[in-house]
Order: sequence, then C-alpha cells, then structure tokens
Amino acid sequence: DVKVTQSSRYLVKRTGEKVFLECVQDMDHENMFWYRQDPGLGLRLIYFSYDVKMKEKGDIPEGYSVSREKKERFSLILESASTNQTSMYLCASTRNTKTQYFGPGTRLLVL
Amino acid sequence: QQQVKQSPQSLIVQKGGISIINCAYENTAFDYFPWYQQFPGKGPALLIAIRPDVSEKKEGRFTISFNKSAKQFSLHIMDSQPGDSATYFCAASKESNYQLIWGAGTKLIIKP
Repeated sequence: DVKVTQSSRYLVKRTGEKVFLECVQDMDHENMFWYRQDPGLGLRLIYFSYDVKMKEKGDIPEGYSVSREKKERFSLILESASTNQTSMYLCASTRNTKTQYFGPGTRLLVL
Repeated sequence: QQQVKQSPQSLIVQKGGISIINCAYENTAFDYFPWYQQFPGKGPALLIAIRPDVSEKKEGRFTISFNKSAKQFSLHIMDSQPGDSATYFCAASKESNYQLIWGAGTKLIIKP
C-alpha cells in the first residue's frame, strides 16, 4: 500500500512565523503535490514537483515556497505566516499515472 | 476553461436511496474524470474514474455517467449507506499531464 505521511496533523502558529510542512511518500513516486483545502473551494494546487529539485507553481503559489531535495520528501514552506493561510494542507504523490495518493492532511491555524 | 463545476455543495439522502452528484467542465481537452472520496480526518482517495470513450462505468454501488456532448459527468451511489457519508470531489485532467482540476466538493450525509 502506498503511504503518504505528513509531519503534523495540527499546527498552531503566530502571524509572521516561518512554517515548515513536510510530506514523505514511500513508493518512489516521481510527482508530488501540495494543495490547500478550504470549504466550498475544493482543492487548490499550491506547488507540484515532478522530480528532485524540480518544482512548478500551481494556482495559488503566493506566500509559499517548496523544497524537494530527496525523491521521497516534499516540503511546503510558509515564509511569513498570515491569518489567511489558515487552512487544511494536503500532500499527494503519484507515479506516472493519474491516481494521486494523499496524506491525512495538516490543519494549520495562524493566529 | 480550466474549471470544473460541482453541485450540490451538500446533500442529505435517506439510507437506501440514490445519491447523485453532478459535475460540468468546459475544456474539451480533458480526457480523464475521476471521483475522490474523503472521510473526516483523512485525505481524499480515488473512488472511481472514467475516460470519455465510454458513457458509463460501474463499480459496485458506484456509477459514473458521462455525457461528452453536454460536457457533464455525474456520480450515482445506489442503495446509499451511512458509511458512504463523506465529501466527494470530482476532477478532470488532460492525458498529457498529471495535474487534476478539482471540483469544489459535495458533503454527503446518509441518514439512517
């Protein structure tokens, strides 16, 4: 079974803090994704990566950056957290197929 | 052109009834249409998917109906059960890439 793990289930941070969200997959998948999920807005793509050290912006990259130094690990960074970044963050991975495998999500609250 | 519009936003169905969720798209280049199911506290998981060369795909109690001319597709859940209570997302993508364009989601509640 594919396993995608996320470093935290819940996080509470202060405005202006630098926040790191980590995602690890154990199936040697090339492609990894970071989404945020907000009620009524579905899943919105922040960034994705199709290989180590490669990244592409998604639909809402502003205020975020990513890092992929190893194939199994994809990190999302909030350089200076703001209250409008309070959300559920979901990581997903896929090999060269269409099926995306998701982690359980990190619920981030920025105060 | 990139949007996938999903309705309704929420749905309550009696146990044993049929749940129907609809999606519409504009981009005729889309050629893969999955549905994902998300339970509280979990990430979404692939439920069923269809390609436009067929009009219907059935897996157990779950059926996707696809209308290429209308650019619409829908998920039908027959004999709905309380365990089907979840949020359902439709999505679409082009063969050439692995990105999915997501609908807004439907929160389905099955009343016992």
